[in-house]
This record gives sequence, C-alpha cells and structure tokens, in this order.
Amino acid sequence: EVQLVESGGGLIQPGRSLRLSCVASGFTFDDYVLHWVRQAPGKGLEWVSGISWNSGRIAYADSVKGRFTISRDNAKNSLYLQMNSLRAEDMALYYCVKDYSSNWDEMGIFENWGRGTLVTVST
Amino acid sequence: EIVLTQSPGTVSLSPGERVTLSCRASHSVPRNYVAWYQQRPGQAPRFLIYGASTRGTDIPDRFSGSGSGTDFTLTVSRLEPEDFAVYYCQQYGSSPLTFGPGTKVDFK
Repeated sequence: EVQLVESGGGLIQPGRSLRLSCVASGFTFDDYVLHWVRQAPGKGLEWVSGISWNSGRIAYADSVKGRFTISRDNAKNSLYLQMNSLRAEDMALYYCVKDYSSNWDEMGIFENWGRGTLVTVST
Repeated sequence: EIVLTQSPGTVSLSPGERVTLSCRASHSVPRNYVAWYQQRPGQAPRFLIYGASTRGTDIPDRFSGSGSGTDFTLTVSRLEPEDFAVYYCQQYGSSPLTFGPGTKVDFK
C-alpha cells in the first residue's frame, strides 16, 4: 500500500521560512515523479511543484517560483519543500503526491495523496 | 496557462440518481490530458480518471469520463451515499498544471 506522510507544517510569521518533508513507502520511490499540491482553507486545489525521479526536471507554479524549492532524497524515500519568504496567501494544507507516471513528459496525474500538513502564515 | 471552469458549482441530488459534471478549458488541452478527482469532507483528494476517460485502479465503473479538446465531462451513473463530495477536473497537458474550482454534489 502506498503511504505518503507529510510533516513540518505549523504557524509561521510572514517573511520567514519553513521546510516540509514527506516520507514515502509502499512503492519504488525513485521510479516516480512527485509533487506538492496545496489547498487553502475552504478553497480548491493548486499544484505547487513537481520533480522527476532523478531531480533532473523540476517545475513550479508561478505563484511560488523563486521562493520555494522542491527536492528529493531517493536514499531516504523522502520529498521536501523549502518555503522561503512566506506570505499570507501561502497558508494552506500541503499535500505530498505521487504521480501515476515515471515519465516527465507525461507527468501530472496525481495518483496517490498524503493526508497533508497545515502551514499557517500569520503574525 | 489553461484555465478550467466547472459547472454547475453545486448540484443537489438523491442516491441512485445520475449526475453529469462539466469541465471546460480556456484552450484545447493537449492530448486530452484531463484527470478527475473526488474529495470528501476532511479527506485528501482521490484520483478517479485520467486521459479524459480511463478509470484509475479500483475505481467503480459507475464513474465515467468523456470529452476532448476544451469540453470534458464526468458522469456518475447511480450515486451511492459515499459519492456525495466535491469533484475537481485537472489538466496535465500543459504547464502549469491547473485544476478547476470544483463541483459539489450534495444531498437533496
């Protein structure tokens, strides 16, 4: 069974930094594209960032480009999101998501989701 | 960026009824790369359909998807109590990946 467990969320002041982590199990971690998708309270879904199996391809939503950095450690079955210069509009539940595909050119099917970690940006 | 619009915003139905949800794209979605997800209250989204019409593993056949170009639909042939939820379409044919705003299916 695929399991994705996020951690690292919490209350943070605007302008500060936070690092989210996701530990995966139940599949061959380094075979798949992985993503972060977020959901603001009471709102819809927003894709944040994706990373290929070997970290050779990375993409970001314009809303986080230049502030957030996605990375992965295949030896630790872990995915990360470094979030800098946090803003009120970054407040959301952040989901770690495994793609259906291992092929970057066909990526973007969000097959398996974690339960999310909540990031609250407030003074 | 491809913007997705979903309609209706909310639909109220009873178990056993059929529902068809619409997803319209601002531009043609390359290769009809559209997926659908279900989100029940307090839960993470659940993957249903990819490639506009292919069900994911273990997704019941009462869920079906269709469409091409800019117009896509998700149909639930007979609503079960657990199907009352929010449904999102999403396109992965073009970066950035984008979602529609969702359609809520609730109890009449």
